[in-house]
Amino acid sequence: GAVVSQHPSWVICKSGTSVKIECRSLDFQATTMFWYRQFPKQSLMLMATSNEGSKATYEQGVEKDKFLINHASLTLSTLTVTSAHPEDSSFYICSARRRPLKTGGNEQFFGPGTRLTVL
Amino acid sequence: GNSVTQMEGPVTLSEEAFLTINCTYTATGYPSLFWYVQYPGEGLQLLLKATKADDKGSNKGFEATYRKETTSFHLEKGSVQVSDSAVYFCALYFYNQGGKLIFGQGTELSVKP
Repeated sequence: GAVVSQHPSWVICKSGTSVKIECRSLDFQATTMFWYRQFPKQSLMLMATSNEGSKATYEQGVEKDKFLINHASLTLSTLTVTSAHPEDSSFYICSARRRPLKTGGNEQFFGPGTRLTVL
Repeated sequence: GNSVTQMEGPVTLSEEAFLTINCTYTATGYPSLFWYVQYPGEGLQLLLKATKADDKGSNKGFEATYRKETTSFHLEKGSVQVSDSAVYFCALYFYNQGGKLIFGQGTELSVKP
């Protein structure tokens, strides 16, 4: 099946620094990548949607200057948390969507997530 | 707006017990409904789906029926195993909204031998 990787799997950083998280589709081309944030015992909340070569679309309430998303190629998207603060500590999950095999399909595959802890 | 509500966990069952995880939704339009499973340390995996009313999705002994009249998509399994221990997410999917998924809060299942 399709595999999506994330790197790093966990990261600890100091307050005020920036952290970059990579999301790669390993064996398929992703027309769209999604970034989610998951709090403990809570749902995945969609942060933004990115299409290769275009600007990301952010969900309401998500600061685009704080969470920079770059979708440089059909297999790589990056999320940079700028000037991180303790409240940004969370589990960040990406998913990659490949071209559906049939109309109405959702070939979306999830990465294992990145645990960010900001001290 | 669109939303998904799942029963709260954790749900703890003995092996071979019957499982039901409730999921209800609010949606405008005609979403598809999905169940995802997240095993410890792994990414979400699609468990099953249903694309229209009265469709039944099934996989690995799990099944769920898309009930438009009750806006529900409850997950069931007749006999759970220890290996089914995971977090289960119900989700709405809108094809004409760029493939967005709207998730419920997840229900943790723990199966004891």
